[in-house]
Amino acid sequence: QQKVQQSPESLTVSEGAMASLNCTFSDRSSDNFRWYRQHSGKGLEVLVSIFSDGEKEEGSFTAHLNRASLHVFLHIREPQPSDSALYLCAVTPSGSWQLIFGSGTQLTVMP
Amino acid sequence: EAAVTQSPRNKVAVTGGKVTLSCNQTNNHNNMYWYRQDTGHGLRLIHYSYGAGSTEKGDIPDGYKASRPSQENFSLILELATPSQTSVYFCASGLSNERLFFGHGTKLSVL
Repeated sequence: QQKVQQSPESLTVSEGAMASLNCTFSDRSSDNFRWYRQHSGKGLEVLVSIFSDGEKEEGSFTAHLNRASLHVFLHIREPQPSDSALYLCAVTPSGSWQLIFGSGTQLTVMP
Repeated sequence: EAAVTQSPRNKVAVTGGKVTLSCNQTNNHNNMYWYRQDTGHGLRLIHYSYGAGSTEKGDIPDGYKASRPSQENFSLILELATPSQTSVYFCASGLSNERLFFGHGTKLSVL
């Protein structure tokens, strides 16, 4: 069974400082990886999807996938207080259509 | 932009009572999903549907039923609600799992 874990549980950064979030998964053959953002009391919005090793950039969000080390990172460039939210990693296991979610990282961006 | 509307936004129920959570999507998506979100667990899949008349069990279906009477509507039914079902429930729709659109969630408290 695919396991998805995120770290840290919570992260506080200053406005404009790079924020880096980590997601580890257990199945190296997983098909694709997504990062979602959830503002308090709201639904989930997809930020970036990545399918192959390397980097994928969407606006101020960059996902970095390294299957060999079983990590997918999310880097947020110059975060703003409005980026304060819960960030969720989701992994699709090989041969499956399902999304397996991590428990999230709560990001706080201080002005 | 795809619209997924959940109702109610908040619900307080008594143990043993019946609860119905409703979801409506207006973008003609075939697939619809019900997840619950709990601290430390991320989102977990309860039931899903491939189209009108179809319902399938997800990872944690026990204690829940689902109904898909039309392309637009997907309901989650708790016949005998228990306190362990206190959670935030999210509905999502999509043509595949490549891009899911989430509702804003229903906060359910079972006393």
